[in-house]
Amino acid sequence: EAGVTQFPSHSVIEKGQTVTLRCDPISGHDNLYWYRRVMGKEIKFLLHFVKESKQDESGMPNNRFLAERTGGTYSTLKVQPAELEDSGVYFCASSQVSNPYEQYFGPGTRLTVT
Amino acid sequence: AQSVAQPEDQVNVAEGNPLTVKCTYSVSGNPYLFWYVQYPNRGLQFLLKYITGDNLVKGSYGFEAEFNKSQTSFHLKKPSALVSDSALYFCAVRDIRGFQKLVFGTGTRLLVSP
Repeated sequence: EAGVTQFPSHSVIEKGQTVTLRCDPISGHDNLYWYRRVMGKEIKFLLHFVKESKQDESGMPNNRFLAERTGGTYSTLKVQPAELEDSGVYFCASSQVSNPYEQYFGPGTRLTVT
Repeated sequence: AQSVAQPEDQVNVAEGNPLTVKCTYSVSGNPYLFWYVQYPNRGLQFLLKYITGDNLVKGSYGFEAEFNKSQTSFHLKKPSALVSDSALYFCAVRDIRGFQKLVFGTGTRLLVSP
């Protein structure tokens, strides 16, 4: 069974540019989460999809971040325009609706904004 | 607000010795507690969870964790450490305010020496 995959693995962009991160959850997992770890600190929740619907987006830092999950399969997280403080590792996770707390994480996308 | 604390940035242990990675929590109500591990260049992997039941929870790779309500702790343990256990370990708690999001600690790096 394929795990959660994320693309790209690394991204280096300049301040003011746009970046789009992609996450492909495990097949059959309706729950999809985005988390972020900034500068070696704790991993913080960004948002949660159930299928294509945003269930909880309380962790999204501001309106420069836009997450979508059209069709309820893969998800994208767009940062526009990027700021220096957006640098960090962005993790995606997925889980089954029947077992939501066993979340499977992808390898993360390391975003560096210069 | 729900939170977890991992007081040690790094734990060093010799191969074959027992290991403990500490975690304390602060929650309202009954805690749902988790341990995840991140190996280099990999995503977070689920190790174990405590939701209810026995205070000693057994997980993957020979790890276990002991839930202690009076001390509000959920320490991760393993009787005999392996060099391959060297990784970054995260404790997490469910945030009861919002659906299924996890609140993570800052992580503890475990270094097992041969």
